Order: sequence, then C-alpha cells, then structure tokens
Amino acid sequence: QQQVKQSPQSLIVQKGGISIINCAYENTAFDYFPWYQQFPGKGPALLIAIRPDVSEKKEGRFTISFNKSAKQFSLHIMDSQPGDSATYFCAAPNYGGSQGNLIFGKGTKLSVKP
Amino acid sequence: DGGITQSPKYLFRKEGQNVTLSCEQNLNHDAMYWYRQDPGQGLRLIYYSQIVNDFQKGDIAEGYSVSREKKESFPLTVTSAQKNPTAFYLCASSIRDRGRMKPQHFGDGTRLSIL
Repeated sequence: QQQVKQSPQSLIVQKGGISIINCAYENTAFDYFPWYQQFPGKGPALLIAIRPDVSEKKEGRFTISFNKSAKQFSLHIMDSQPGDSATYFCAAPNYGGSQGNLIFGKGTKLSVKP
Repeated sequence: DGGITQSPKYLFRKEGQNVTLSCEQNLNHDAMYWYRQDPGQGLRLIYYSQIVNDFQKGDIAEGYSVSREKKESFPLTVTSAQKNPTAFYLCASSIRDRGRMKPQHFGDGTRLSIL
C-alpha cells in the first residue's frame, strides 16, 4: 500500500516568513497530488493540487513544487500570516488496497506568530 | 449553497450500542467517502462508494458499515464491534472520473466519543 510521509509534524514561523512542508510518496504511478488545509473543528478544505505534468504550481501565496525523480512534493507558503495557522495535509493516489483513492500524510500543524 | 452536511456534530456512544452518522451532499457527486481522523494522524479511509447501491471497504472497515441507497446520502454506522470508536469522522464526495482523480470535498465532521 502507498505510504505518504509528511514532515515536519509541527512548524512555527514568524509573520511574513516562508513556511515549507514536505511530503514523500512511494509508488511511481500517480496523477494527482493535493494539499488540504484544516482548521480546528472543521473538515479539510482543498488548498491547491498539482498533476505531475508540471513541476510547480502557484496560486497566490501558495506554491506546490514537484520532484518526480525524488518522489517528493512540497508546499511553500510565502509571506505567512497568522490566519494561515492550521493543519496541512498532503495526499497521493493509493495504488494498494483501496486503489484509486487518496492516502493522506499525518499532517503538519503550522503556527504563524505575529 | 452546495456542500456536504454531516450530523450530528457531536455524538456519544454507550457500550454495546450502534450509532449512525449522517452525511448528505447536494453537489451531485457520484463518489462519497468516509474517513476517520485521530489526533496526530492523517485521514484513514473507512468505506467509499463510487455509485448508488455499491460501496467498497477502505483500509480500516472493520467495525463499520455503510449503505448507499441514494446518490445524496452515505450514512456510516459505527457498530459495537468497533472497540475504539472515539475519533473525528469525516465524510467527503467527489466527481467520479475513471480516468483521473478529482478533488474531494469534505464536510465539517462528527466527533464521536464513548460514554
């Protein structure tokens, strides 16, 4: 079964700084890598996603970088704001047991200090 | 507004009791999913359904059951066989596309605790 390893578990960044969260996957078959943002007591919300035909995708202050050869993808949050404080999850397609579905990383709790 | 509604927001289960979590969507999505979230863990797939009257076990289906009689509804029953039911349960839905994965949209969850 596909494993998705996400790091760090927690991250503290000063306002205006860059937040970087990394994920690594195992299986070489892929077509879609999303990032979700979750606030306490709420469900995850899709933040940004990338398909592997591009190496980078940017939406506002959020950028996904994709490294196919290293089987890694990362989320960069530029000019981090206190309102970005949340838990972030990466996900990758599962080609194991529940084939065709998403396997999620364990999450990164981001705190942006004013 | 289109979206996914989960109810109740909080639920308490007594020993030996089955409880049912509701999930309704008005996004006209074919696929629906149930996930379990534990502190410090990612989301783990319990059951999923690609189409009405059909569903498949996910990675942690033991102690759970589902039905999919209507496109809009995908209720999850936590049975007494699930010995550690305390968790945050999330329902999601997506467009079904055989060729490519599509974004999943989540409800705001049900928090289940044992009395």
